[in-house]
Amino acid sequence: DVKVTQSSRYLVKRTGEKVFLECVQDMDHENMFWYRQDPGLGLRLIYFSYDVKMKEKGDIPEGYSVSREKKERFSLILESASTNQTSMYLCASSVTRDQYTDTQYFGPGTRLTVL
Amino acid sequence: GENVEQHPSTLSVQEGDSAVIKCTYSDSASNYFPWYKQELGKGPQLIIDIRSNVGEKKDQRIAVTLNKTAKHFSLHITETQPEDSAVYFCAASIRAAGNKLTFGGGTRVLVKP
Repeated sequence: DVKVTQSSRYLVKRTGEKVFLECVQDMDHENMFWYRQDPGLGLRLIYFSYDVKMKEKGDIPEGYSVSREKKERFSLILESASTNQTSMYLCASSVTRDQYTDTQYFGPGTRLTVL
Repeated sequence: GENVEQHPSTLSVQEGDSAVIKCTYSDSASNYFPWYKQELGKGPQLIIDIRSNVGEKKDQRIAVTLNKTAKHFSLHITETQPEDSAVYFCAASIRAAGNKLTFGGGTRVLVKP
């Protein structure tokens, strides 16, 4: 079974703090993703990575950065947390096969509250 | 970029009845349409997907239909059971844009016993 783990289930931080969210996958997947989930807005892509040290902006990258130093690990960084970044953060991974997108496997999520 | 609209946002059905969730997409180049189910406290999990070369796919009580001309696709759940209660997300992807999914806003399904 594919397993995607996220470092924390719940996190409470103060405005202005630097926040690190960690994601690890155990299936040697090339692709990794960070989404945020807000009610009524579905899942919105923040950043994704096709390979180690590679990153691309998603739909809402402002206020976030990422790091992928190893294939299995993808970190999301909030340089200076703000209250509007209070959300559920989901990490996912996938492989790319043939000409089609393959299944994305999600972690359980980190619910971040910024006070 | 791609835009995916999903309706309804909430759906309440009696156990045993059918549930239908509809999505529309904007980019005719999209060629992959997965559906995810998210149970409380968990991440979304793929339940079924359809590719643009087929019009319908079925897996036990779940089916998905795709109308490429109208750019919409639907999830059908028959004989609903309480364990079908969850949030469901549709998504669309353009292979040329990489392995990137655009998700709909989600539908919260409640199956009443």
